[in-house]
Amino acid sequence: EAQVTQNPRYLITVTGKKLTVTCSQNMNHEYMSWYRQDPGLGLRQIYYSMNVEVTDKGDVPEGYKVSRKEKRNFPLILESPSPNQTSLYFCASSLFKGSGSGNTIYFGEGSWLTVV
Amino acid sequence: RKEVEQDPGPFNVPEGATVAFNCTYSNSASQSFFWYRQDCRKEPKLLMSVYSSGNEDGRFTAQLNRASQYISLLIRDSKLSDSATYLCVVKVNNNDMRFGAGTRLTVKP
Repeated sequence: EAQVTQNPRYLITVTGKKLTVTCSQNMNHEYMSWYRQDPGLGLRQIYYSMNVEVTDKGDVPEGYKVSRKEKRNFPLILESPSPNQTSLYFCASSLFKGSGSGNTIYFGEGSWLTVV
Repeated sequence: RKEVEQDPGPFNVPEGATVAFNCTYSNSASQSFFWYRQDCRKEPKLLMSVYSSGNEDGRFTAQLNRASQYISLLIRDSKLSDSATYLCVVKVNNNDMRFGAGTRLTVKP
């Protein structure tokens, strides 16, 4: 079954305590991305990766890091979380080639992060 | 101005009603267009792509107007299970997909 798996699904942490949200996909997709979703703002891209060892900033990269050492994994790292990073986070993957089915974005189930 | 704009709603309609959502986009070079559906506290899932000539999938019809830079989604004979948030998504280039904030639909008995 095609899947994007992210963990943890729910996390409450304290300001400044480093955390990592893992993301793994089993579809051999080159493209992976992280989004955060906040009320009234929709999905905003944090970082994306076009392939292994190729990452780039999205719209809201401040306070986040990513790495892409393997094709299937794309972890999101919050080195020093702050309360304004409280949000719902989605990892996603896609083939992203041409039009049609290659554009379908597959999302993980989401990670609810609260920073107190 | 946001790159992709949608009326947030909520749209509250009775079962069986026809409801339409519009979405406008600002980048005239946008390549591809989609509607995603997101249930409460769940991940978005592809509902349908939007083609230049318009396309239909059962009760759902999507249309694209490149000249006016908007896309639309029409839902006929609404079901309770159609209650969700509908996200307009615009592919600007090969590494850039832009999401609208979503339109919330509630279908009531």
